[in-house]
Amino acid sequence: KNQVEQSPQSLIILEGKNCTLQCNYTVSPFSNLRWYKQDTGRGPVSLTIMTFSENTKSNGRYTATLDADTKQSSLHITASQLSDSASYICVVTSGPGRAGNMLTFGGGTRLMVKP
Amino acid sequence: NAGVTQTPKFQVLKTGQSMTLQCAQDMNHNSMYWYRQDPGMGLRLIYYSASEGTTDKGEVPNGYNVSRLNKREFSLRLESAAPSQTSVYFCASSQGSGANVLTFGAGSRLTVL
Repeated sequence: KNQVEQSPQSLIILEGKNCTLQCNYTVSPFSNLRWYKQDTGRGPVSLTIMTFSENTKSNGRYTATLDADTKQSSLHITASQLSDSASYICVVTSGPGRAGNMLTFGGGTRLMVKP
Repeated sequence: NAGVTQTPKFQVLKTGQSMTLQCAQDMNHNSMYWYRQDPGMGLRLIYYSASEGTTDKGEVPNGYNVSRLNKREFSLRLESAAPSQTSVYFCASSQGSGANVLTFGAGSRLTVL
């Protein structure tokens, strides 16, 4: 069974500090991995996508890494801001396959940034 | 540009009551999905529609029905609500298959007493 495990479940950091969120997956065959940000009371929004051949990708203060050999990804947030307080969800796509049944979601990491 | 719109945002039901969650997207996407999100668990797929006129079961379809009314609209119906269906429900859409980015609605919080 495909699984995506995220750690830690929750994290509290001070504004301006950096943090790293982890995602381990057992999904086969692997197609891509996305990180989503979900603000409280809102739907998830895509931050970045990683394909098999990509090791690192940045989106502003967010940097995602992917190690396809160890099946691990991380999301590093630099110089955190209060607006970074949210849940971060790792989603792995397997494929090819039937549309809609190809995504496996992690349980998310809830990040709180305090002033 | 509204994206994906869900209604209602909040609903309280008694066990055995029925209701329909409505979802509409204005991005001309082909595929639409219904997920539920429970505390500590990842989003789980209930039903999806790869294109207008087709629907398929996801991981947790029991107790739900769906209708792809047209390309824009995809509704989720609970015929006889149960407390186990207390959850936050998200509608999403994508241009193609699940490999493409999903655009989510804001969610509908359902409580079944």
